[in-house]
Amino acid sequence: AQKITQTQPGMFVQEKEAVTLDCTYDTSDPSYGLFWYKQPSSGEMIFLIYQGSYDQQNATEGRYSLNFQKARKSANLVISASQLGDSAMYFCAMREDPNAGGTSYGKLTFGQGTILTVHP
Amino acid sequence: NAGVMQNPRHLVRRRGQEARLRCSPMKGHSHVYWYRQLPEEGLKFMVYLQKENIIDESGMPKERFSAEFPKEGPSILRIQQVVRGDSAAYFCASSRGYSYEQYFGPGTRLTVT
Repeated sequence: AQKITQTQPGMFVQEKEAVTLDCTYDTSDPSYGLFWYKQPSSGEMIFLIYQGSYDQQNATEGRYSLNFQKARKSANLVISASQLGDSAMYFCAMREDPNAGGTSYGKLTFGQGTILTVHP
Repeated sequence: NAGVMQNPRHLVRRRGQEARLRCSPMKGHSHVYWYRQLPEEGLKFMVYLQKENIIDESGMPKERFSAEFPKEGPSILRIQQVVRGDSAAYFCASSRGYSYEQYFGPGTRLTVT
């Protein structure tokens, strides 16, 4: 079974500074994907970034980067130059590689989330 | 190109009533996932459907919950005889296939009074 742990219920950061949101995972699958989603107060789920378990380089998308440490089973999200609009709940999620022959059919397993507050 | 549509966005039901939540996938998507988000928690998988087929319902409660995705029309998540514990946000996500990215809808907030 897959498990995602986000140990930071809440984080605070000053505007324009960088912040790291922690995520550790547990899986016995050799091939998997890791995702980060943002959920603002309006409630929708916004996809931010994806990392495949066999990707050689850490994923980056604009101000978002994923610090992937496979041996430690961690996939921390780094947000650079924080903006007020970054204040939201952030979820880490994973899925078994759907092409690896398992029966997970691509379903996502989510962590509990971290509430990020950006101060002006 | 319209995204995933869910309606209603907010639904209030009294205990014992039925709740019907609808999800229209993105154009070209024939795979739908339903997730439930209880207050202060992350999303939890409920069911995965393709057109006219339930592929994986391992996350569905054994009673009162059902889902369908007919050949024509939206996917429906149906909750019979709702209880207060069913109050949650219900999200659907659609994709072109299970190895592709999932796109989430805005969610339906169900409140049971």
